[in-house]
Amino acid sequence: DADVTQTPRNRITKTGKRIMLECSQTKGHDRMYWYRQDPGLGLRLIYYSFDVKDINKGEISDGYSVSRQAQAKFSLSLESAIPNQTALYFCATSSPGRTYGYTFGSGTRLTVV
Amino acid sequence: GDSVTQMEGPVTLSEEAFLTINCTYTATGYPSLFWYVQYPGEGLQLLLKATKADDKGSNKGFEATYRKETTSFHLEKGSVQVSDSAVYFCALSGTGGTSYGKLTFGQGTILTVHP
Repeated sequence: DADVTQTPRNRITKTGKRIMLECSQTKGHDRMYWYRQDPGLGLRLIYYSFDVKDINKGEISDGYSVSRQAQAKFSLSLESAIPNQTALYFCATSSPGRTYGYTFGSGTRLTVV
Repeated sequence: GDSVTQMEGPVTLSEEAFLTINCTYTATGYPSLFWYVQYPGEGLQLLLKATKADDKGSNKGFEATYRKETTSFHLEKGSVQVSDSAVYFCALSGTGGTSYGKLTFGQGTILTVHP
């Protein structure tokens, strides 16, 4: 099994629908992150969580919400999806400290029509 | 705030050519520096890292040296292969306040290697 698992891998949804992207990890890391990838824009941070009770907004949190259900699970929700939220979404985990880097999931490709 | 700037792509090379992808950064303190690679249809994987000045990270024939005097971490490979075709991201791990341990990414460089 992968260290960081994202579900679903692909999703097409309609404008205005609520959708949840899920992430689970077996690394035992406290820190989890949600990023969005758009062509030419690199990775942009949506939300991050340093532990179950610590959730923080990233640079592009508007239109998104998150839930940290357990150390191993971190879900991203789009309350009312819009077409410009069409993107590739990545979950990542890390240990505390500046030298470890992140472990990424394989991504969820979301299309809002 | 922290920032990472990568050379604009895409980069197209023939097999066995020399590769350089430039990366410069702005950060307070002494960040750690990383290169990640994203193969088609996959997530990002750590390629190499360096955690202090003058360190050289290396993996799979790729190398990058942490140059504090020029705030750079350029990625190099002496002879690329078709299988190296991917998107490469430079990143730094912040050291100050709420940035501590969080990665800031460059915009990515698409590399295509032709046979």
